[in-house]
Amino acid sequence: EPEVTQTPSHQVTQMGQEVILRCVPISNHLYFYWYRQILGQKVEFLVSFYNNEISEKSEIFDDQFSVERPDGSNFTLKIRSTKLEDSAMYFCASREQSTDTQYFGPGTRLTVL
Amino acid sequence: AQSVTQPDIHITVSEGASLELRCNYSYGATPYLFWYVQSPGQGLQLLLKYFSGDTLVQGIKGFEAEFKRSQSSFNLRKPSVHWSDAAEYFCAVTNFGNEKLTFGTGTRLTIIP
Repeated sequence: EPEVTQTPSHQVTQMGQEVILRCVPISNHLYFYWYRQILGQKVEFLVSFYNNEISEKSEIFDDQFSVERPDGSNFTLKIRSTKLEDSAMYFCASREQSTDTQYFGPGTRLTVL
Repeated sequence: AQSVTQPDIHITVSEGASLELRCNYSYGATPYLFWYVQSPGQGLQLLLKYFSGDTLVQGIKGFEAEFKRSQSSFNLRKPSVHWSDAAEYFCAVTNFGNEKLTFGTGTRLTIIP
């Protein structure tokens, strides 16, 4: 069964450093998402992406965040200058055109020191 | 704004016992409702979903959920739990044309022998 994959599974970085989280969505899916889950809190929507542009973003997704689909398979989330409060589990999700069901990857745990 | 409430933070049940996890939503339009499960160290796996039609939906792993519009609820049930059901369960809502899922805070399920 096709699935969303994410790399790395765990990323540790120093405050102020740039990080790139990578996702490979399911191959025939056209809509892509990033969510995050701060430890002990609910899963929160960050951004949705379709047709090579952002279709919706939350207030969390400020100028420090960007997303990109650099090739036909990868979907990335970049945090330019990480802050301590960016420490969280980041989930990528994708869905196909004909359904409203989002399928999630296993997540990347980001730790900012 | 849409919101999801999962009133039970933590539930403990004996193996073989029945289970019901509560979910209430606040949403102006016709909701699309989901239950996801997150096992330790894993991503979010879709258990079941409701878009329209029969209000009792069946999912994977023997789970079912019932949509009750009058109570704004979408409770998850299982007649007999197994030790492998121990995980965190998240209820989520969206609607047609809405890009983001809104999640509840989750219910952690512990199974005792």
